[in-house]
Amino acid sequence: KQEVTQIPAALSVPEGENLVLNCSFTDSAIYNLQWFRQDPGKGLTSLLLIQSSQREQTSGRLNASLDKSSGRSTLYIAASQPGDSATYLCAVTPMIYNQGGKLIFGQGTELSVKP
Amino acid sequence: NAGVTQTPKFQVLKTGQSMTLQCAQDMNHEYMSWYRQDPGMGLRLIHYSVGAGITDQGEVPNGYNVSRSTTEDFPLRLLSAAPSQTSVYFCASSYSRGLTDTQYFGPGTRLTVL
Repeated sequence: KQEVTQIPAALSVPEGENLVLNCSFTDSAIYNLQWFRQDPGKGLTSLLLIQSSQREQTSGRLNASLDKSSGRSTLYIAASQPGDSATYLCAVTPMIYNQGGKLIFGQGTELSVKP
Repeated sequence: NAGVTQTPKFQVLKTGQSMTLQCAQDMNHEYMSWYRQDPGMGLRLIHYSVGAGITDQGEVPNGYNVSRSTTEDFPLRLLSAAPSQTSVYFCASSYSRGLTDTQYFGPGTRLTVL
């Protein structure tokens, strides 16, 4: 059974720091891996999608990497800002679900960036 | 585009009551799904649909019904509400079953069952 784990559960950093969020998954048979952002009381916003054949994706100050063989992904945030404070969720689409893109989510990392 | 919309935003029910959570998208997406989010459990798939007239069960389908009569709408029905269904419910959609493109989430419905 596919399981997704995110460590740490919470992280607090001063503004301006570069930081890395970690995600691991137990089964490498995935279509893709996505990183989402969730603000308190809000829905999920997709940040980056990495296909299984790709190694990384970049968007602005965000860079996500994928190592399928080791079952790991990282989300790198450069020059963090207080506006980056949110919960970051990692999710994989397992290959066994050929009827549709079921997402298996990690528990999330709650990030706080202090001014 | 409004994206994925959900109504209501908040709802309080008594045990045994029924209700329908509404979800609509205006992006012509074929794939739609419902998740529930609970503390310590993360997000879990309830039901999903790969197109109008086609639905299937996810990880936690008991106590919920869905139908997909149009591409745009995917309502979730609680048949007889129980306190264990207190949760935040999210609807999501994507163009290509989420296999090659991202999934878009609605703002959520916060449901409390007393």
